[in-house]
Amino acid sequence: DGGITQSPKYLFRKEGQNVTLSCEQNLNHDAMYWYRQDPGQGLRLIYYSQIVNDFQKGDIAEGYSVSREKKESFPLTVTSAQKNPTAFYLCASSTTSGGRDTQYFGPGTRLTVL
Amino acid sequence: DAKTTQPPSMDCAEGRAANLPCNHSTISGNEYVYWYRQIHSQGPQYIIHGLKNNETNEMASLIITEDRKSSTLILPHATLRDTAVYYCIVRALRNAGNNRKLIWGLGTSLAVNP
Repeated sequence: DGGITQSPKYLFRKEGQNVTLSCEQNLNHDAMYWYRQDPGQGLRLIYYSQIVNDFQKGDIAEGYSVSREKKESFPLTVTSAQKNPTAFYLCASSTTSGGRDTQYFGPGTRLTVL
Repeated sequence: DAKTTQPPSMDCAEGRAANLPCNHSTISGNEYVYWYRQIHSQGPQYIIHGLKNNETNEMASLIITEDRKSSTLILPHATLRDTAVYYCIVRALRNAGNNRKLIWGLGTSLAVNP
């Protein structure tokens, strides 16, 4: 099946620990994105990458880091510097060829910091 | 990217058409209207997008007014599984520079009732 996978679905961590969220896609999409969603709110962009080995900060990048070593993978690390990391994290990808730019989303990871 | 305004909530009877409005009075000529929906605790799902002509796919129809300042998403025969938050987003298909984010508002929470 083609799609975007995120793991794990639920993640619990102690305060002060770094944690890495996985995002993999087999859609052959060039661009990948990480969003954060808080209860009752819309999505906010953390980081995005349009091509391998390149990524850009979104609106709320502080306390997060990413890497894009492979086209299929875009892991997000939530560091101890993130003041309020408990949230629902969503990964998306899109193709930029042929003028289409529709973003497709994974199922999300719900992170709870205790 | 232009801002959108949607009603916070709507109800619809099962089997009837659900008509979800969106105002985007500041939309510019190169901006498309996108619709996504998010079922509780899942990743957003792409529904449809359009520029100025009405569009239809297997999920929904999109009606855009002639002046493009508003649009309506139509679910022709709503089912209980259509209960979700529906987001209307406008953006240029190819943004200037590196900004490829979607600006997410609060959407419309649609409740389909039996």
